[in-house]
Amino acid sequence: DAKTTQPPSMDCAEGRAANLPCNHSTISGNEYVYWYRQIHSQGPQYIIHGLKNNETNEMASLIITEDRKSSTLILPHATLRDTAVYYCIVRVAGTASKLTFGTGTRLQVTL
Amino acid sequence: GAVVSQHPSRVICKSGTSVKIECRSLDFQATTMFWYRQFPKQSLMLMATSNEGSKATYEQGVEKDKFLINHASLTLSTLTVTSAHPEDSSFYICSAGRQGRNTFGSGTRLTVV
Repeated sequence: DAKTTQPPSMDCAEGRAANLPCNHSTISGNEYVYWYRQIHSQGPQYIIHGLKNNETNEMASLIITEDRKSSTLILPHATLRDTAVYYCIVRVAGTASKLTFGTGTRLQVTL
Repeated sequence: GAVVSQHPSRVICKSGTSVKIECRSLDFQATTMFWYRQFPKQSLMLMATSNEGSKATYEQGVEKDKFLINHASLTLSTLTVTSAHPEDSSFYICSAGRQGRNTFGSGTRLTVV
């Protein structure tokens, strides 16, 4: 699986958009970009994934650059409950596919 | 949908004893489950891949005789930490895949005293 690079930490004011970047310059054509988050002392939670088109769901939006070498996860209106470690993971899609976690970005949402 | 239940959520055991952690897929069948370990302020590290009806596949550096994995049914995988020692104290998390995404249990915090 391709390696990803994320900033170690970010801050965001409550109510503002949180934009979390991820670099994955070695991504292969059949690899998807997945985002998960882990709130303290809980198991990771799936957020969103995409191949090359931008994606949006009830939790977030995923913007993937045209060359697919980077992406941005957008939380449109961050709340205190969005404080967590966010992981960007690249892998081939498949139910039996393991996930390899990097160090992620620790997002702190403040009042 | 796609709920993974993990028990217990927290366990304290004496050094030298064994502890079993259960991971169940509640509303789907999982031929493959994954076990992770997470130390404080660190990321999740994959320990092993649990395969229904066959032997687990362990990651490099993980002792298969210490961390026993059983996946006897399509909805249950168990991890047994044998002869636990204080250095095994950690947060253990299981995961199962469905429809292109992985669902995680809530984790088990193991403390060995």
